[in-house]
Amino acid sequence: AQTVTQSQPEMSVQEAETVTLSCTYDTSESDYYLFWYKQPPSRQMILVIRQEAYKQQNATENRFSVNFQKAAKSFSLKISDSQLGDAAMYFCAYRSGGSNYKLTFGKGTLLTVNP
Amino acid sequence: NAGVTQTPKFQVLKTGQSMTLQCAQDMNHEYMSWYRQDPGMGLRLIHYSVGAGITDQGEVPNGYNVSRSTTEDFPLRLLSAAPSQTSVYFCASSLGRAGSTDTQYFGPGTRLTVL
Repeated sequence: AQTVTQSQPEMSVQEAETVTLSCTYDTSESDYYLFWYKQPPSRQMILVIRQEAYKQQNATENRFSVNFQKAAKSFSLKISDSQLGDAAMYFCAYRSGGSNYKLTFGKGTLLTVNP
Repeated sequence: NAGVTQTPKFQVLKTGQSMTLQCAQDMNHEYMSWYRQDPGMGLRLIHYSVGAGITDQGEVPNGYNVSRSTTEDFPLRLLSAAPSQTSVYFCASSLGRAGSTDTQYFGPGTRLTVL
């Protein structure tokens, strides 16, 4: 079974600065997908960014980017120019390729943004 | 599109009571799933469905039943509530398309307390 580990229960960043959230995963599969979800205090789960394992290029969505290291099984999220609205719980998630749609989540990292 | 809707938003039960958490989506998604979120545990998969009439167990299925009589609806039933089922419950859905990122969209969640 796949596992997802987020080793930082809490992180903090100053507004306008950059922060990196860590995620590692364990799998024997070669075809899979990785996701970062954001959960603000409203509790809504919001997709931030996704990465296909077969793509070598790191995904980017505006201020959010990932550092995908397939050999190291690492998938970190970088948030640039942090904003107060980025404060939330962030979850890393794994999904196998093919027709298996189940998501395996890490335990989350709580990000605080200081003004 | 309303997306994924869940009712109720909050519920308090007494031990031994039964109830059904409702989930509906209007995006014609084949794949639907239920997760529970507990502090420090991330989201864990309870049950999932790859289409009408097809359901299967996830990581933590005990104490829960599901059915999928239509594409749109995927209710979660607690037959005899226990305090250990106090949690926040999320329903999610996706197209269920193999070979793609198949992004899952989450409902707003139901906070359930069992006394």
